[in-house]
Amino acid sequence: KAGVTQTPRYLIKTRGQQVTLSCSPISGHRSVSWYQQTPGQGLQFLFEYFSETQRNKGNFPGRFSGRQFSNSRSEMNVSTLELGDSALYLCASSLGTGGDPSTDTQYFGPGTRLTVL
Amino acid sequence: KNEVEQSPQNLTAQEGEFITINCSYSVGISALHWLQQHPGGGIVSLFMLSSGKKKHGRLIATINIQEKHSSLHITASHPRDSAVYICAVGTGNQFYFGTGTSLTVIP
Repeated sequence: KAGVTQTPRYLIKTRGQQVTLSCSPISGHRSVSWYQQTPGQGLQFLFEYFSETQRNKGNFPGRFSGRQFSNSRSEMNVSTLELGDSALYLCASSLGTGGDPSTDTQYFGPGTRLTVL
Repeated sequence: KNEVEQSPQNLTAQEGEFITINCSYSVGISALHWLQQHPGGGIVSLFMLSSGKKKHGRLIATINIQEKHSSLHITASHPRDSAVYICAVGTGNQFYFGTGTSLTVIP
C-alpha cells in the first residue's frame, strides 16, 4: 500500500496570503488528522476529519480550516498568513472506525514545510 | 502548563547501551503513543498503549495508568536509533505532545 502523501512538500508565502495544503491518506483509511510542528511549540493538534466531517479540533484560531472529500483526501487551509504560521504541517491517517482517533495507530505523511515571509 | 512532560530532553549514548526515555502526563487519556522522528521530519508511530507493556524488537514501552507515566526503553542501542522520540497522549478528542527527546547513539 502507498503511504500518506502530502503536497506540496515546500511552500513559501508572504504575510496576508492564504495557503491550501493537501493530504492523501492510505487507501482504506477514513480518518485524517492535521498537526503543526514548530521549534518553539513542538507538535500541536489542529483537527481531525472522518467521513467528510470535522470530528475533533485543537486550539487554533478560525484562520485554520480544513475539509475532507468523499475519497478521504483532505485539505487544510490557512487564511491571512502570519509569520508565526511558518511550520512543518503534518497529516496522519488512520482507520478511524473506533470513534476515538487516539486509539488508532497514526500513519504520518512527510509534511509540508511552509515558510511565511 | 504542559499536559505532557518528557525527560531527558537530550541523550547521548554509546552503541550497545540500554536507554530509557520517560513521559509523564497530567490528563486522563484514551491511549499513549510513542513516535520517532528522524532528521527531515518523517514521523513513525512506534507504539500505542493503553495499559501494560509492549515490545517490538529492541524497543519496549510500558505505561502505568495510576501514576500517569510511561517509559520507552531501547536495548542494545545502535546509531540508527538516533532520532527524536516524542510521547503523545490522546484524550478522546485531543492529542497532546511532549517536546521530544533527542537521542544520539555514538558508534
